[in-house]
Amino acid sequence: DVKVTQSSRYLVKRTGEKVFLECVQDMDHENMFWYRQDPGLGLRLIYFSYDVKMKEKGDIPEGYSVSREKKERFSLILESASTNQTSMYLCASSSDPREQYFGPGTRLTVT
Amino acid sequence: AQSVTQLDSHVSVSEGTPVLLRCNYSSSYSPSLFWYVQHPNKGLQLLLKYTSAATLVKGINGFEAEFKKSETSFHLTKPSAHMSDAAEYFCVVTPFGNEKLTFGTGTRLTIIP
Repeated sequence: DVKVTQSSRYLVKRTGEKVFLECVQDMDHENMFWYRQDPGLGLRLIYFSYDVKMKEKGDIPEGYSVSREKKERFSLILESASTNQTSMYLCASSSDPREQYFGPGTRLTVT
Repeated sequence: AQSVTQLDSHVSVSEGTPVLLRCNYSSSYSPSLFWYVQHPNKGLQLLLKYTSAATLVKGINGFEAEFKKSETSFHLTKPSAHMSDAAEYFCVVTPFGNEKLTFGTGTRLTIIP
C-alpha cells in the first residue's frame, strides 16, 4: 500500500512565525502535491513538483514556498504565517498525476 | 477552463436506502473524472475514476458513477447506504492529458440509522 505521511496532525503557530510542513511518501512517486482544504471551498492546489528540485505553482501559491531536495520528501513553507493561513493542509503523491494518494492532513492554526 | 459543481453540500439518507450524490462538470477537453471520499480525520481516498473507457464506472464499497456527456454529469450512486458510508465526497475533474486536478466543494453524506 502507498503510504503518505505528514509530520504533524495538529499544529498551532503564532502570526509571523516560519512554519514547515513535511510530507514523505514511500512509493518512489515522481509527483507530489500540496493542497489546502477549507469548508465550502474543497481542495485548492498550492504547489506541486514533478521531480527533485522542480516545483510548479498551483492555484493559490501566495504566501507559500516549497522544497524538494529528495524524491520522497516535499516540504511546504509558510515564510511568515498569517491567520488566513489557518487551514487543513493535505499532501499527495502519485506516479500518474491524475490518481493521487493523500496523507492524513495537518490542521494548522495560526493565532 | 475546467470546473465541477457539486449540487448538494449535504445529503442525508437512511441506512439501506439508495445514495445519489450529484456532480456536473465543465471542461474544454475530453475530461477525466474522479470521486474521492474523505472519512472523518482521514486523508482522501480514490473511490472511482472515469478516463474515457466505459461510461459506467464501478468503484470500491459498492459505489458507481455514470459519465453522461450530453448532460455533463458524473453522479455517484450506491443502491443501499451503510453507516460506514458517512463521509465527505469530492467530485474531481481534469482535462485528458492534464495533470492538475480541480476539486468540487464537497458533499457531506450523513446516514440515518
